[in-house]
Amino acid sequence: DTGVSQDPRHKITKRGQNVTFRCDPISEHNRLYWYRQTLGQGPEFLTYFQNEAQLEKSRLLSDRFSAERPKGSFSTLEIQRTEQGDSAMYLCASSRPFGERENHNEQFFGPGTRLTVL
Amino acid sequence: AQKVTQAQTEISVVEKEDVTLDCVYETRDTTYYLFWYKQPPSGELVFLIRRNSFDEQNEISGRYSWNFQKSTSSFNFTITASQVVDSAVYFCALIYSGAGSYQLTFGKGTKLSVIP
Repeated sequence: DTGVSQDPRHKITKRGQNVTFRCDPISEHNRLYWYRQTLGQGPEFLTYFQNEAQLEKSRLLSDRFSAERPKGSFSTLEIQRTEQGDSAMYLCASSRPFGERENHNEQFFGPGTRLTVL
Repeated sequence: AQKVTQAQTEISVVEKEDVTLDCVYETRDTTYYLFWYKQPPSGELVFLIRRNSFDEQNEISGRYSWNFQKSTSSFNFTITASQVVDSAVYFCALIYSGAGSYQLTFGKGTKLSVIP
């Protein structure tokens, strides 16, 4: 499998600016996830797509955050009016359709986008 | 609610020593998967192992071994004869294995430093 890719790998922005990250999942995976990881912590779930439908959003995802997966392939995560507290690694993962294989719950992670808000 | 606890924040060992990373979990689900991931300084989470809650057999893969004990809700990870390349942050994670599952719950990670 070609792995999960994310772009950009690093983003430095000034407080108040908008940023957008892109995630390209493994091609046959219909489920896509976004996680956020702050320094010294494990990844925390943000949101989940099955095909183009956003099925779950964490309370961590404030109104300034929006995620889309318009054609059920790549996904974007946008943060509006960034704050210093948004500085983190944003990880994307994908997995197979439920029931397709035994390892349908296995999530494959991309390299992440490290966001620094100055 | 699910919870994963990795009580060891940081561990340092000298190369060739054995080291065990602890993981204790809490879940009300009767069927679930447990995972270990490695995160090197580059940042990408690398999958190491998945264990089904029905399968309590221990597993060995090269220098890595895993001890799953349902009775104590633990899923510990041992590296034998550690090497400098093992230096990374290791995460234990848990997910419900049913159709509606989507959210991996991670521990806070254990940073392993292997000193040459």
